[in-house]
Amino acid sequence: NAGVMQNPRHLVRRRGQEARLRCSPMKGHSHVYWYRQLPEEGLKFMVYLQKENIIDESGMPKERFSAEFPKEGPSILRIQQVVRGDSAAYFCASSPPGLSAEAFFGQGTRLTVV
Amino acid sequence: AQSVSQHNHHVILSEAASLELGCNYSYGGTVNLFWYVQYPGQHLQLLLKYFSGDPLVKGIKGFEAEFIKSKFSFNLRKPSVQWSDTAEYFCASSNQAGTALIFGKGTTLSVSS
Repeated sequence: NAGVMQNPRHLVRRRGQEARLRCSPMKGHSHVYWYRQLPEEGLKFMVYLQKENIIDESGMPKERFSAEFPKEGPSILRIQQVVRGDSAAYFCASSPPGLSAEAFFGQGTRLTVV
Repeated sequence: AQSVSQHNHHVILSEAASLELGCNYSYGGTVNLFWYVQYPGQHLQLLLKYFSGDPLVKGIKGFEAEFIKSKFSFNLRKPSVQWSDTAEYFCASSNQAGTALIFGKGTTLSVSS
């Protein structure tokens, strides 16, 4: 059973471009979470999705950021018109159904905006 | 709102010293509590978790944590650290409504040999 797969591992974008980060959950996992990690700030929750549904997006910036987890295929975190402040490591985690399920993390995507 | 506080930002120890990292959570209801470790350049890995039952939880690599409900705490301990324990440690909680994990800011542990 492969772990949570994120790609790309490193992504460089110029200011104003779009960034697409992909996350393939572990087999059997229907819940996906996205987190952003900045130095000195730890992991900030962004969004929690189940297949075709956004459950909690309270941590998502109101503009330029969106996430989806379609019925087929990976979860996508999309950042439009990136700015330097978007540079960070973005981690995805997945868990199976169940209120006490453990979340497994991917290796992360390091986004650098130049 | 749910939150997690880790009071130690950076801890420096010599090998064989004992470790205790503080974690406090704020949520009045039932919580699930976790400690994750992130080694340099790697993803987060689960060290241990508490859902219910025995408040003293044993995890991997000799780590343990104690859930003290009256203090809203879930401190991580290890009796004797090794150089390979150098990493960043994150405490996290989720409530039993099935919400996402909320993390503390992390504690960087540096162990010198």
